[in-house]
Amino acid sequence: NAGVTQTPKFQVLKTGQSMTLQCAQDMNHNSMYWYRQDPGMGLRLIYYSASEGTTDKGEVPNGYNVSRLNKREFSLRLESAAPSQTSVYFCASSATRTEQYFGPGTRLTVT
Amino acid sequence: GENVEQHPSTLSVQEGDSAVIKCTYSDSASNYFPWYKQELGKRPQLIIDIRSNVGEKKDQRIAVTLNKTAKHFSLHITETQPEDSAVYFCAATSGGGADGLTFGKGTHLIIQP
Repeated sequence: NAGVTQTPKFQVLKTGQSMTLQCAQDMNHNSMYWYRQDPGMGLRLIYYSASEGTTDKGEVPNGYNVSRLNKREFSLRLESAAPSQTSVYFCASSATRTEQYFGPGTRLTVT
Repeated sequence: GENVEQHPSTLSVQEGDSAVIKCTYSDSASNYFPWYKQELGKRPQLIIDIRSNVGEKKDQRIAVTLNKTAKHFSLHITETQPEDSAVYFCAATSGGGADGLTFGKGTHLIIQP
């Protein structure tokens, strides 16, 4: 099992460009999450999907959209990137009421 | 929403000594409290977790205690080793985990040889 995978690993965008971060899990988990990690800030929840077909906002959803494409895949889209969105983005998944497993992360720089 | 405070931000201990990291939370409905370890450039990995119906949980050199009345929980690492050096995050959630986690800002644990 690959667990949780994310693509790309690194990305540099110019202000105003758009991109989609991809996440997939092969553990048959119901719930999936997107977090961002900034120095000194811990991890902050952007959006989550408690089950296939549902998505909900987390703590910092502004500037992002998500799609739960199927049970395996959960994508995060930046429609118009801003320098404030420079961060490391982690996807995670969990079975109902159990630990969250994290992907390797995507390091995004917006110039 | 939930707010999690974590202290200290940096902790330096001698190899073999114990380390304690403390967290407080604000939402009395929170019922799941995991601890994650993150090494430089790596993903967070769960090291131990506790649910609100339990006061203490141990796994070898690691233990977590929970005081629901005071709304705080702590991570205890005994007989620290160089490989324990990392950033540790506490977290809390009221959805049993399905609703996403609220993390503390992290503690950088340094083990001095």
